[in-house]
Amino acid sequence: GAVVSQHPSRVICKSGTSVKIECRSLDFQATTMFWYRQFPKQSLMLMATSNEGSKATYEQGVEKDKFLINHASLTLSTLTVTSAHPEDSSFYICSAKTGTSVADTQYFGPGTRLTVL
Amino acid sequence: AQSVAQPEDQVNVAEGNPLTVKCTYSVSGNPYLFWYVQYPNRGLQFLLKYITGDNLVKGSYGFEAEFNKSQTSFHLKKPSALVSDSALYFCAVRVSRGPNSGYALNFGKGTSLLVTP
Repeated sequence: GAVVSQHPSRVICKSGTSVKIECRSLDFQATTMFWYRQFPKQSLMLMATSNEGSKATYEQGVEKDKFLINHASLTLSTLTVTSAHPEDSSFYICSAKTGTSVADTQYFGPGTRLTVL
Repeated sequence: AQSVAQPEDQVNVAEGNPLTVKCTYSVSGNPYLFWYVQYPNRGLQFLLKYITGDNLVKGSYGFEAEFNKSQTSFHLKKPSALVSDSALYFCAVRVSRGPNSGYALNFGKGTSLLVTP
């Protein structure tokens, strides 16, 4: 099956610093990638939709200047949490899919646990 | 709005017994439904999806789900549970994110499955 990787798997940073998370589709080209956030024992909340070569579409309530998303190629999307604060601590998960067909399956990365001190 | 509901926070089953994890949906138009499983500190793994066709959908690891239009349900089932099936299960429904972004997923809150020996 399709494989999506994330790096790093775990990161601890100081408040006020920025953190970049990478999401890669390893064996397929992803026209669209999604970024989700998951709080402990809660569901995944969609943060933004990212298309290769264009600006990301953010969900309501998600600050685009704080969560910078870049989708520079068909296999790589990055999420940068700028000026991170403890409330940004969470599990961030990306997913990738090919095409825009309703039948396309999203494949998820293993997630990145961010802890902001 | 397209949404799914998982009425149970936790399901407990003895190994070898059949298991059911419930999901109901609320959508306009035809629903496109998915089941994913998440192991601790891991990303989501795709189990199965319903797009159209047979109401009984077979997926990975022996799981299947039955689409029931009259009851607006998409329950996940397995005839004989394994201890290794213990995990967090998410039901999801396709949602449109615009003509260029295809479809993202709205997730239910998740159901924790515990299979005891």
